[in-house]
Amino acid sequence: QQPVQSPQAVILREGEDAVINCSSSKALYSVHWYRQKHGEAPVFLMILLKGGEQKGHEKISASFNEKKQQSSLYLTASQLSYSGTYFCGTEISSGTASKLTFGTGTRLQVTL
Amino acid sequence: KAGVTQTPRYLIKTRGQQVTLSCSPISGHRSVSWYQQTPGQGLQFLFEYFSETQRNKGNFPGRFSGRQFSNSRSEMNVSTLELGDSALYLCASGLGEGKQFFGPGTRLTVL
Repeated sequence: QQPVQSPQAVILREGEDAVINCSSSKALYSVHWYRQKHGEAPVFLMILLKGGEQKGHEKISASFNEKKQQSSLYLTASQLSYSGTYFCGTEISSGTASKLTFGTGTRLQVTL
Repeated sequence: KAGVTQTPRYLIKTRGQQVTLSCSPISGHRSVSWYQQTPGQGLQFLFEYFSETQRNKGNFPGRFSGRQFSNSRSEMNVSTLELGDSALYLCASGLGEGKQFFGPGTRLTVL
């Protein structure tokens, strides 16, 4: 079953913060985050493993709440380059990272 | 290292025809996964090949098939095309665990 992402879309001014959530009805082994700019391929951001710590990537970080089967992606002091669609991909067991179930995406637009 | 390449980038076919898409993974990557991306359904997993064997399969009809060659290059075939097969087909390569590297995709339009 497809994880649910929220919000579906968000518009930010440069420098503002945003949180994107990804919730699953299934127990998860890991959550992967990707960003896709218009007309381009999805690009890997980070992986969060069950039992792992919060990860960070520049001003983008994420957490994984195993009890809630939910991951959140935090974008701080957003930049124009952060615009794109963010997807979470979920893995229900070890060894299935190449068979991700992706959420429907969150479209993020950063404006001046 | 060169990235994942996919050919062709664009295809226009008519209903009932068949099509073959190609994906060349990053050198050293033995896993190739295929995804279908549409505005309504998002990114949906088709299948994964690892060392020439199909290791995982998504919930797509048998019209969708694939294979992987000894050099890890992979092909995806769709037979008896339907209008609903119009989509961006993405392949992703990896080591079998962890992050995947996506190619630019093949945009298939079925008329």
